[in-house]
Amino acid sequence: GESVGLHLPTLSVQEGDNSIINCAYSNSASDYFIWYKQESGKGPQFIIDIRSNMDKRQGQRVTVLLNKTVKHLSLQIAATQPGDSAVYFCAELRYAGNMLTFGGGTRLMVKP
Amino acid sequence: DAGVIQSPRHEVTEMGQEVTLRCKPISGHNSLFWYRQTMMRGLELLIYFNNNVPIDDSGMPEDRFSAKMPNASFSTLKIQPSEPRDSAVYFCASSLGVGEGVDQPQHFGDGTRLSIL
Repeated sequence: GESVGLHLPTLSVQEGDNSIINCAYSNSASDYFIWYKQESGKGPQFIIDIRSNMDKRQGQRVTVLLNKTVKHLSLQIAATQPGDSAVYFCAELRYAGNMLTFGGGTRLMVKP
Repeated sequence: DAGVIQSPRHEVTEMGQEVTLRCKPISGHNSLFWYRQTMMRGLELLIYFNNNVPIDDSGMPEDRFSAKMPNASFSTLKIQPSEPRDSAVYFCASSLGVGEGVDQPQHFGDGTRLSIL
């Protein structure tokens, strides 16, 4: 696994700006992808998911983009708010084996 | 809605002691997962159950770790004897199911922060 905590890559954005958090996943056979948000002292919280047969999925203020050619996943947050400050993890799942594999995480800091 | 409930939230104990972590999954969820999170290794899957049956325990570090799910609403993760390197945050998660074509996210509890002195 990759390091978390002190060694997390950090994205710092101004309140109201859009945020883009990127994730490179490892397994081209992964079937399903999830973005989680983890606040200090809490467990990962589900944000949005996408199947491997989709390129884009939108939620409330969030959009996930999937580029299977380069094995890249991104999370876009519109009009970032201070409450969005957290660590964001991408996770990939293969139906065979049912193993959800987490990326190392990105810390998002929102400046007021 | 009640989410995944874990207890205790914090546990501090001396090495060699037995530690038992508890989890109540979301009602109706068929799959339950135990994870460990550390600074160095991130989130690691330890074991998961489907319909109360352990399916994959390949992530359990060693024989000191054991997990049970006696019924659909309760699971335990036990460490005996505990060691300082077991210090971590342990998460339980549940989902509606697993398997081919099943796109069900896992929902996490707020974890147990375990410190072994």
